[in-house]
Amino acid sequence: IMLTQSPATLSVTPGESISLSCRASQSISTNLHWYQQKPNESPRVLIKYASQSISGIPSRFSGSGSGTDFTLNINRVEPEDFSVYYCQQSNSWPYTFGAGTKLELK
Amino acid sequence: EVKLVESGGGLVQPGRSLKLSCAASGFNFNDYWMGWVRQAPGKGLEWIGEINKDSSTINYTPSLKDKFTISRDNAQNTLYLQMSKLGSEDTAIYYCARALSKGNYFDYWGQGVMVTVSS
Repeated sequence: IMLTQSPATLSVTPGESISLSCRASQSISTNLHWYQQKPNESPRVLIKYASQSISGIPSRFSGSGSGTDFTLNINRVEPEDFSVYYCQQSNSWPYTFGAGTKLELK
Repeated sequence: EVKLVESGGGLVQPGRSLKLSCAASGFNFNDYWMGWVRQAPGKGLEWIGEINKDSSTINYTPSLKDKFTISRDNAQNTLYLQMSKLGSEDTAIYYCARALSKGNYFDYWGQGVMVTVSS
C-alpha cells in the first residue's frame, strides 16, 4: 500500500492553522497513524487510528479520515511544530510510511 | 520509564554482515510486538519489519526479506536485526520501536543507531 503525502513542503507562519494530507493507494479503514520527527530526534506518534488522540500530545493536533483519504490538522501552529510529519498505515503488511511533509517557517 | 537502546552500528564494508541489538527496559518485553524502521540520510522513514511476542510471526518489507532477519530474546529483553550482503543503499539510521499488537502503531522508539556501508 502506497501512501502519498501532500504537500511535500508547507511554509507557514506561527498562529496559522493548517492541514496535511495523506492518501492511500487502497482502502485502509482507519489504520493510519501520524508521527512527528524533529531534526536529529526519533519520531513520535501524534495521532493513532486516523483520529484518536495520544496522551501527552497537545490538543491542537487532530486527525480525520477513513478509507483512502486522511488529514492531520494543526490548529494555530506553534514554533515547536516546525518539523517533518509522516503518516503510516498498519492495515496490511508490509506496513508503509508516506514520504513526509516538511512544515517550515515562512 | 520505557527505554529502547540500539547498539551494534558503525562502519561496515560492502558485502559484509552486521547485527544490531535493541535493549528494552521499563516494560514487560514479552507483551509487545517489536519492529525496525530505518532512515537514510536526508530521507524519509522506511518500515523494515516486525516480530510478534513469541517470534511465531515475523513480517518484512519485500525488498529486504532476503537480506535482513529480525529476532528476539525475551529472556534478555532484546530485539535483533541481522543484516547481510550490505550495500551503500543500506546506509541509514536504524530505529527499533514498540507496538502493542499486530496492526498497531509504534508508541516508543529508540534513539537510533547509525550504520554506514562504505569501503
